[in-house]
Amino acid sequence: AQSVTQLDSQVPVFEEAPVELRCNYSSSVSVYLFWYVQYPNQGLQLLLKYLSGSTLVKGINGFEAEFNKSQTSFHLRKPSVHISDTAEYFCAVTPSGYQKVTFGTGTKLQVIP
Amino acid sequence: GAGVSQTPSNKVTEKGKYVELRCDPISGHTALYWYRQSLGQGPEFLIYFQGTGAADDSGLPNDRFFAVRPEGSVSTLKIQRTERGDSAVYLCASSSGDRALNTEAFFGQGTRLTVV
Repeated sequence: AQSVTQLDSQVPVFEEAPVELRCNYSSSVSVYLFWYVQYPNQGLQLLLKYLSGSTLVKGINGFEAEFNKSQTSFHLRKPSVHISDTAEYFCAVTPSGYQKVTFGTGTKLQVIP
Repeated sequence: GAGVSQTPSNKVTEKGKYVELRCDPISGHTALYWYRQSLGQGPEFLIYFQGTGAADDSGLPNDRFFAVRPEGSVSTLKIQRTERGDSAVYLCASSSGDRALNTEAFFGQGTRLTVV
C-alpha cells in the first residue's frame, strides 16, 4: 500500500517570497507522483506530475517539484508567489501504471500581501 | 462535455434516507473514479470504473455504498440508510484510461452531502 505525508497543514508566506510545500511518500513499488491544487469553491486541478525521466518537473503557474527517490520526497516549489496562489495543495501517489490515487491531507498556502 | 459535471452540487438529507449522486464524465473518458473528501482531509478513494465495470471497489466503506455505470458514461453513487458520518464532499474524476500513458484524472467540483 502507498501513503503520502504532508507535514505542513498551513503555510503562510508573503507575496513575492519563495515557497516550498513538503511531501513524503512511502511505497514498496515504483510510483507516479502528483501535485493537485484546489482553489476555494473549485474542483481539484493538476499542477504537475512525475511519471519517469527527469526528476525535476515543471508545472503550471510557475510551480515545479523535484522527485527524490532516496528521500522518498516530492516537494513543491515556487520562487515567487502571488496572491492568486492562495489555495490548498494536495500531493498524491499511485503505483506506476495503476489508477488508484492516494492523496495526502493537504497544505493550505496563504499568501500575505 | 467540457469538464466533469456532478449533480447536485449540494444535498441535505435526513439520517436514514437514501441518496443518489450523479457524475457525468468528460466525453470519451473510459475511466471514472469516485472519491470522498471529509473536512480537513485529502480525497479518499472509493471506487474506480473502467468502462461499465468496477475495476476496484476496495475503497467503499461498507455495503450501504454502491456505484453503477451501466452504459460506460454517467455514473451514480448510491448511499443507503445515510448516517451523519457520511457527510462529506463526494468527488468524481475521469480520465482517458490509458494506464501506461495518461494518468491525469480530471475532477468535478463535487457534491457536498450533509446528513442531518
